[in-house]
Amino acid sequence: DVKVTQSSRYLVKRTGEKVFLECVQDMDHENMFWYRQDPGLGLRLIYFSYDVKMKEKGDIPEGYSVSREKKERFSLILESASTNQTSMYLCASRSQGGGGSEQYFGPGTRLTVT
Amino acid sequence: KQEVTQIPAALSVPEGENLVLNCSFTDSAIYNLQWFRQDPGKGLTSLLLIQSSQREQTSGRLNASLDKSSGRSTLYIAASQPGDSATYLCAVSEGSQGNLIFGKGTKLSVKP
Repeated sequence: DVKVTQSSRYLVKRTGEKVFLECVQDMDHENMFWYRQDPGLGLRLIYFSYDVKMKEKGDIPEGYSVSREKKERFSLILESASTNQTSMYLCASRSQGGGGSEQYFGPGTRLTVT
Repeated sequence: KQEVTQIPAALSVPEGENLVLNCSFTDSAIYNLQWFRQDPGKGLTSLLLIQSSQREQTSGRLNASLDKSSGRSTLYIAASQPGDSATYLCAVSEGSQGNLIFGKGTKLSVKP
């Protein structure tokens, strides 16, 4: 079974703090993604990576950065956390199949910024 | 810009009913479509993936269909059970990189 793990289920941080959210997958997937999920807005793509050290902006990259130094690990960084970044953060991975392959999600990190 | 819509937003049915969840998308040039289930406070569980060249996929009591030309997909759940209660999300991928565009989901409640 594919397993995607996220470092924390719940996180509380203060405004202005630098926050790291970690995601690890164990299936040697090339592609990894970070989404945030908010009531009424649904899931929105923040960043994705299709290879080590490669990254692409999604729909809402402002206020975030990412790092992918190893294939299995994809980190989301909030450079200076703000209250409007309080959200559920979901990481996902998939293999880069020609016909398209399933995207597998982690359990999520619920981040509260006070 | 691609938009994905799911109707209804919420649905309540008695146990044992067969039901259909609907998903529509505005641009038919999709790579694939994926249905997910999400339990409260949890991540997403993949249910079915339909490639753009396919018309349907089945897994147990679930059957998903895809009509690209009309921009529609349906998820059919047979003989619903209380354990099926969850939010069901539809998402389309427009390219080989796999970025997903999500609908806002249908919250299903199956009453015993």
